[in-house]
Parts: sequence; structure tokens; C-alpha cells
Amino acid sequence: DSGVTQTPKHLITATGQRVTLRCSPRSGDLSVYWYQQSLDQGLQFLIQYYNGEERAKGNILERFSAQQFPDLHSELNLSSLELGDSALYFCASSVVGSPNTGELFFGEGSRLTVL
Amino acid sequence: GENVEQHPSTLSVQEGDSAVIKCTYSDSASNYFPWYKQELGKGPQLIIDIRSNVGEKKDQRIAVTLNKTAKHFSLHITETQPEDSAVYFCAAQRGGTALIFGKGTTLSVSS
Repeated sequence: DSGVTQTPKHLITATGQRVTLRCSPRSGDLSVYWYQQSLDQGLQFLIQYYNGEERAKGNILERFSAQQFPDLHSELNLSSLELGDSALYFCASSVVGSPNTGELFFGEGSRLTVL
Repeated sequence: GENVEQHPSTLSVQEGDSAVIKCTYSDSASNYFPWYKQELGKGPQLIIDIRSNVGEKKDQRIAVTLNKTAKHFSLHITETQPEDSAVYFCAAQRGGTALIFGKGTTLSVSS
């Protein structure tokens, strides 16, 4: 158990809908990262938050947004969903702003299926 | 930005054989290179990492080598066991940026 909790584990929804994925980082970790894992693209970095502030942005679509709350949990919002958004979404956390000085701890992921 | 290429995408070995996975990166300023193992139904987990001031690092049956000049690094697993079967990801990062992963290698170890 990594200590990172993601909910829901599975989610099935229709095109055009909006969903929210939630992540609770390990106790004490200030950074939260979101990654998308699809079969042909591997782990794609979406966005990073550090202590409530956006730190880095990757290939995150404009239809997606995220935030980190004062209690350090994070939410990833996906809207106007398309079939291609079906993927496994991972949250990871680390103590510092960059994992360069430590390990990235991943949750077990939220599997999103868009029908 | 950083781009990480990983090969092969799938690798099948017999128990006891060695397995080698290779990665190349594009950003010469990258200085941190971790390897993650993802078992079925779980999130990736760090198994070993190497920094740019080190050429090789070992931890029991696994080792990682880094060639900064050629911008490539490799994971070596010796005496493979069935429990080594998983997806392995390499990654690269330079300070202040996010970790960028390769597309993964599915390793199958048959007994």
C-alpha cells in the first residue's frame, strides 16, 4: 500500500459527460501529480500541484482541470468526455516540489470508461 | 521538452535468464533516472534510480547503467523469477520539471 488513495476505482460514463477523480496523497506529502495511462501512450504527465499551487503542466487538455485543496487532497475534473479519454488515471505524491530528491508514490488508479 | 524512448515494448524470458530494458532521453540537462515496476492492477512503484553523477547502481538482482554522453540508460535484471513479470517504466527528469516516462516494457518470465 503506497498510502495514496484514489477514488473512484472504476467509472463508466457517456460521451459529453463530466467526471471528478479524487486523490488523497500520503500523509505529509505536499506534491500531487496526475498521470494518464493509455495502452499506446504509456504514462503521460498531466499536471502537478505543490502545496495548493500549480507547479507544472504537461499534456493536459483544456477540457481537463485540476486543483489541490488546503487539506492537500486533489481533484481532477474531466469534462465534455470523448471516447479517447478512456484510460487509467493515476495520482502520485511526493514530499517535495520535485521528485528529483525522492520517490514518487502512486495510487492504484481510477479507470475511466467513456461509452 | 523531455522525450523518453523505451525498448523493447515486450520481453519474454525463461526463469533464470537475464533481462535488459533500454531507454534513451532527449534533454541533456536531465539528471535523475528512476525505474518503476507496475504489477497488474496496481500503480507503478519505484524499484531503483540513478543520478547523473553515477554510472552504475546495483541492488541485489537489479542494476541500472547510465551513459550520459549517449543519453541512454538501461535496466538489467539477473536470475529472473516469475514474480519479476510486470510492466517496467523508465523515466527521466531535470530539476524543477516533472518526471517523464517511457511507454513501458511488458516483461514475462516463464518457468
